[in-house]
Amino acid sequence: DAGITQSPRHKVTETGTPVTLRCHQTENHRYMYWYRQDPGHGLRLIHYSYGVKDTDKGEVSDGYSVSRSKTEDFLLTLESATSSQTSVYFCAISEEMNTEAFFGQGTRLTVV
Amino acid sequence: QKEVEQDPGPLSVPEGAIVSLNCTYSNSAFQYFMWYRQYSRKGPELLMYTYSSGNKEDGRFTAQVDKSSKYISLFIRDSQPSDSATYLCAMSERAGGSYIPTFGRGTSLIVHP
Repeated sequence: DAGITQSPRHKVTETGTPVTLRCHQTENHRYMYWYRQDPGHGLRLIHYSYGVKDTDKGEVSDGYSVSRSKTEDFLLTLESATSSQTSVYFCAISEEMNTEAFFGQGTRLTVV
Repeated sequence: QKEVEQDPGPLSVPEGAIVSLNCTYSNSAFQYFMWYRQYSRKGPELLMYTYSSGNKEDGRFTAQVDKSSKYISLFIRDSQPSDSATYLCAMSERAGGSYIPTFGRGTSLIVHP
């Protein structure tokens, strides 16, 4: 498995609370991505990063922010969690443009 | 209409059958086509990766791209129970120097002994 660690793996939180998910890689890959996966929608891109402090929005970025202060870490923050953000979140990395993307094991987030 | 359409299934087949999984797409700029396999409660893993049209074979797996019809397929020969998983197609165009694939919803495949 590619060296990608997501933490936590499971989290239950209350509506309105802030939540931060962490993705850590040991591959020194340039690109990092956050996706959410929901039944009926498949994988949807939230945000991605193409370098330290270089990030951009994806398809479903509303309500999410990201930060990348080091090559190896990409953080996803839900400023004020809502029930619609209950999902499985996947981090992915890729070395360069249009090369293979490796996915983490996912974080199952439940907002009650 | 989503850019990438994929029947969610489930598709149930007996062991040894030839499986055909398909996706259609609407964006003619897509040039890179991928198939990912995802086991339950795991992250997706890349199975096949092709550029532009044509066929690519890897063991029991064959990926086919028909850009004129905007249609891609994944064939699995001699299917095994261990092939039971969700298969996601993904595709991307060269955009801004980053690899940003658009995924289909995935097709759930069940291979029964």
